[in-house]
Amino acid sequence: LAKTTQPISMDSYEGQEVNITCSHNNIATNDYITWYQQFPSQGPRFIIQGYKTKVTNEVASLFIPADRKSSTLSLPRVSLSDTAVYYCLVGYYNQGGKLIFGQGTELSVKP
Amino acid sequence: DTAVSQTPKYLVTQMGNDKSIKCEQNLGHDTMYWYKQDSKKFLKIMFSYNNKELIINETVPNRFSPKSPDKAHLNLHINSLELGDSAVYFCASSLGLAGGVNTGELFFGEGSRLTVL
Repeated sequence: LAKTTQPISMDSYEGQEVNITCSHNNIATNDYITWYQQFPSQGPRFIIQGYKTKVTNEVASLFIPADRKSSTLSLPRVSLSDTAVYYCLVGYYNQGGKLIFGQGTELSVKP
Repeated sequence: DTAVSQTPKYLVTQMGNDKSIKCEQNLGHDTMYWYKQDSKKFLKIMFSYNNKELIINETVPNRFSPKSPDKAHLNLHINSLELGDSAVYFCASSLGLAGGVNTGELFFGEGSRLTVL
């Protein structure tokens, strides 16, 4: 059964770079990797999406190795407002298009 | 304008009752979903519809019945509510199954917190 795994929680300090890794051993050829951010009492919000190598946007970078069995979300210079739960989502098309989230990583940024 | 809107935002009810949650998206997307988020923050897919047709039906009790009157709406009706149904239910939408592959960019509503007493 397809499964994604990521750390349950991480702590950081303001100004640091934070890297959150997601494992997805059964990723299929057509699957994309997407990361979401969720604040309390809100729905998850799209951060970044990639297929292979590296993708960068104004808020984050996404690193995907050649075998694509994992991915790393990189948040540069975090601030207190980056405290949230971060989810990895992989499009497992070979299971009928199910979109399976990881269990989420609760990031706590301290002053 | 809210892209994906759900009503109600909060719902408190007794065991055994029947309740509905409504969802509407104004993004012109073809695919809509219902996810359940439990107390441990785990997001589990329940259903997905593409152009009003059911395409994913996870292992969800028959008490849960989705309905999509058109591609902009996906409602969730729950019969005979149980304590374990207490959770936050999220509606989401995406562009659709482009070429048979869903790239996974979802737009979520704000959630509907259901509490069963």
